[in-house]
Amino acid sequence: GNSVTQMEGPVTLSEEAFLTINCTYTATGYPSLFWYVQYPGEGLQLLLKATKADDKGSNKGFEATYRKETTSFHLEKGSVQVSDSAVYFCALVFWGKLTFGQGTILTVHP
Amino acid sequence: DGGITQSPKYLFRKEGQNVTLSCEQNLNHDAMYWYRQDPGQGLRLIYYSQIVNDFQKGDIAEGYSVSREKKESFPLTVTSAQKNPTAFYLCASSRVETGANVLTFGAGSRLTVL
Repeated sequence: GNSVTQMEGPVTLSEEAFLTINCTYTATGYPSLFWYVQYPGEGLQLLLKATKADDKGSNKGFEATYRKETTSFHLEKGSVQVSDSAVYFCALVFWGKLTFGQGTILTVHP
Repeated sequence: DGGITQSPKYLFRKEGQNVTLSCEQNLNHDAMYWYRQDPGQGLRLIYYSQIVNDFQKGDIAEGYSVSREKKESFPLTVTSAQKNPTAFYLCASSRVETGANVLTFGAGSRLTVL
């Protein structure tokens, strides 16, 4: 079956540091890939997505590139802020079925 | 503004009681979903529905029930048969399409069993 594996957290960074959260997937075909973000006490919000190989999704300074050869969709941001503290979920959709990773907690200190 | 409304935000239940969590959307989405979130386990699908009067079991449906009498509404009942119901429950909706299904989530309901 399909699966998504994220780097284990929690991740703790200082403000303005570079962020990478690794995400790899297993799927029988070519899924669409997503990053969702969950701020404390809230539901999930779509952060960015990519629907085919080599697509780059970007939003709010975050980026992720769909790499078919390494089955990866790593999330990056060049300079994190305290307000980026949240839980980040990598996910894939294939034939209408959505599969989430386990989530990575990010804490950014001033 | 369109969106998904979940209620209540916090709910306490005694063992042996059934409780119903409400989910209403005004996005005109055909598909609706219920997920359970536990610390360190990500989201697990409980039930989903792609059309009114039809729904399918997800990965962890035991101890839960749903109904889909209206397009806008997809309530979840946590029954006394659910052995470990304390969790954060998230409702979501989407258009039904074969491509990239983007889910819109509600703010969640936190259920605590006393």
